[in-house]
Amino acid sequence: DTAVSQTPKYLVTQMGNDKSIKCEQNLGHDTMYWYKQDSKKFLKIMFSYNNKELIINETVPNRFSPKSPDKAHLNLHINSLELGDSAVYFCASSRQATNEKLFFGSGTQLSVL
Amino acid sequence: DAKTTQPPSMDCAEGRAANLPCNHSTISGNEYVYWYRQIHSQGPQYIIHGLKNNETNEMASLIITEDRKSSTLILPHATLRDTAVYYCIVRGYNTDKLIFGTGTRLQVFP
Repeated sequence: DTAVSQTPKYLVTQMGNDKSIKCEQNLGHDTMYWYKQDSKKFLKIMFSYNNKELIINETVPNRFSPKSPDKAHLNLHINSLELGDSAVYFCASSRQATNEKLFFGSGTQLSVL
Repeated sequence: DAKTTQPPSMDCAEGRAANLPCNHSTISGNEYVYWYRQIHSQGPQYIIHGLKNNETNEMASLIITEDRKSSTLILPHATLRDTAVYYCIVRGYNTDKLIFGTGTRLQVFP
């Protein structure tokens, strides 16, 4: 059983479209994250939710809107996609927000054409 | 969180120990040293973490110097599957962010 699962694994879309990436964790963790890995392989945190509440928002454009319907799910919706949004997006979870190891999903490769 | 410095790449022969260094000279007293790795096309994977004592688990050993300004991750018997980018991260106890640097690309060869 996959601990942190993301769908889809690959997403190819046109500029200007709106798309969503879904993430689910079955570890019973309270905290979930979205990270972005760009073409230079830098991994940067975007958002963090703890028990469905936003606790980190790292100067991400407001075209990106995370949604956490419950603490096992953290979805990422992106409006008006731009070429620069092309990257691999990783979801992660941890038992609590501080000083805990993170478990990552396998990533969603987003290509904006 | 303190910054870390790692060599960009290292090689290791299969079956030998891989020793990956990390410098964190500005680490403060309540900051932990974490190690993660990312195998090609996969999500990062937690390896080990420590505060000041040496730590060992089923994956690796972490040796932290007495002044805590540097550490070494040891993979005792490297295999081809250990080829990955290894990230050394310093994280405050009450910090909710894990900030990745550029890491060390470890290539294990037959």
